[in-house]
Amino acid sequence: AQTVTQSQPEMSVQEAETVTLSCTYDTSESDYYLFWYKQPPSRQMILVIRQEAYKQQNATENRFSVNFQKAAKSFSLKISDSQLGDAAMYFCAYRSANGNQFYFGTGTSLTVIP
Amino acid sequence: NAGVTQTPKFRILKIGQSMTLQCTQDMNHNYMYWYRQDPGMGLKLIYYSVGAGITDKGEVPNGYNVSRSTTEDFPLRLELAAPSQTSVYFCASTGQYYGYTFGSGTRLTVV
Repeated sequence: AQTVTQSQPEMSVQEAETVTLSCTYDTSESDYYLFWYKQPPSRQMILVIRQEAYKQQNATENRFSVNFQKAAKSFSLKISDSQLGDAAMYFCAYRSANGNQFYFGTGTSLTVIP
Repeated sequence: NAGVTQTPKFRILKIGQSMTLQCTQDMNHNYMYWYRQDPGMGLKLIYYSVGAGITDKGEVPNGYNVSRSTTEDFPLRLELAAPSQTSVYFCASTGQYYGYTFGSGTRLTVV
C-alpha cells in the first residue's frame, strides 16, 4: 500500500504571512492524483487543491498553491496571505489513477496568529 | 445538488446497542467509503464499495457491517456498540478521476 507522510504535526503562521506544509509519499506507480484537504473545527472535510501526477505544472487555487516534485515524491502546500479562516487541520492524500482507495497522511494542525 | 448526506449528525449509544449510520449521495458516484476519525488523529478506512452489490473491508472493519443495494446509499451498521467505537464517522464518495466528496460527519459517543 502507498504511504503518505506529513512530518509536521503542528505549524503556525502570522496573519498575512506565507506558510508551507510538507507532504511526502511512497509509491511505485507513475500515474496518480494528490490532494490537500482542509478540516476546520466544524469537522467538515473540504478539498483545497488537486494535482495530477502527469502534469508538470503546479496546481494553484487562489491563495493556495502546491510544489509538486515527482522525482522526490514531495507535494507541499503553500498558503499565501494567511487568514484567520485558514486555521484548520490539513491532510495530504494520494490516490492511484486506477485505484479505489485514498491514502491519507496524519495531518498538520495549522494555527494562524492574529 | 446535496452531495453526500449523512445522518444523524450526533448520537449517544449505550454499550451493546446497535445503530445504522445513513449515507446517501446524489452524484451517481460508483465509489463510496466509510472512515472513522478518532480525536486528534487522521482518517482510518472502515469499509468501501466500488459499486452496488460490491463491498470490501478497509483498515478497521471489526465491529461494523455495510451494504450497498443501490448506487446512492451506503449505510454503516454498528452491532453491539463498544466505547472503542466512540469517534467521528465520515462517509465519502468519488467518481473515477476526482477527489472525495465528504459528508458532514456523525459524532458518535458510546457510554
